[in-house]
Amino acid sequence: DIQMTQSPASLSASLEEIVTITCQASQDIGNWLAWYQQKPGKSPQLLIYDATSLADGVPSRFSGSRSGTQYSLKISRLQVEDIGSYYCQQAHSNPTFGAGTKLELK
Amino acid sequence: EIQLQESGPGLVKPSQSLSLTCSVTGYTITSGYDWSWIRKFPGNKMEWMGYISYSGSTNYNPSLKSRISITRDTSKNQFFLQLNSVTTEDTATYYCASHTMGIGFDYWGQGVMVTVSS
Repeated sequence: DIQMTQSPASLSASLEEIVTITCQASQDIGNWLAWYQQKPGKSPQLLIYDATSLADGVPSRFSGSRSGTQYSLKISRLQVEDIGSYYCQQAHSNPTFGAGTKLELK
Repeated sequence: EIQLQESGPGLVKPSQSLSLTCSVTGYTITSGYDWSWIRKFPGNKMEWMGYISYSGSTNYNPSLKSRISITRDTSKNQFFLQLNSVTTEDTATYYCASHTMGIGFDYWGQGVMVTVSS
């Protein structure tokens, strides 16, 4: 299985702040990487696929990037509705997820 | 709009089988997508369990291969999860979701919490 190492496990940030979450793949997965947001009490929602492509309806303050086997999710200006948990998932082979990042307001 | 909804018992005894149903509306499950089961454990770890494709083929997480079966009823536009010989380690929230290879999980059900306890 391909392992996804996600960091940080938790993050406290202020409104309008820039937030970055990273995932490290255990092997080359190309651009086969997705990011999900899960708000409290809700099911996960696809944010980004192909490492950098925004899913339909996702605000442009979300962006994804890749550097080798390291992937990043950036929220350019944190809003209150962005609070929740975030997961990366590799789509190169049988899907595996990162351990998640819990994002809270400072 | 594609909608998925899980249903099934919220409590299962150890050593018994866990059975869940995912009802799909807004899309015919034989038209496309792979139809997956995913679970989220207490502590937030997420695990893909397996899928049944639009053509009826299946693919399972190797860690579950001896215990899992995913089937479907095309007349009812539903697919099913059966997990055998459950233990307390199988306590989790179970989600069904549509899956596009190379992209990810597009549409999710609301999830059903299943507790394994005597």
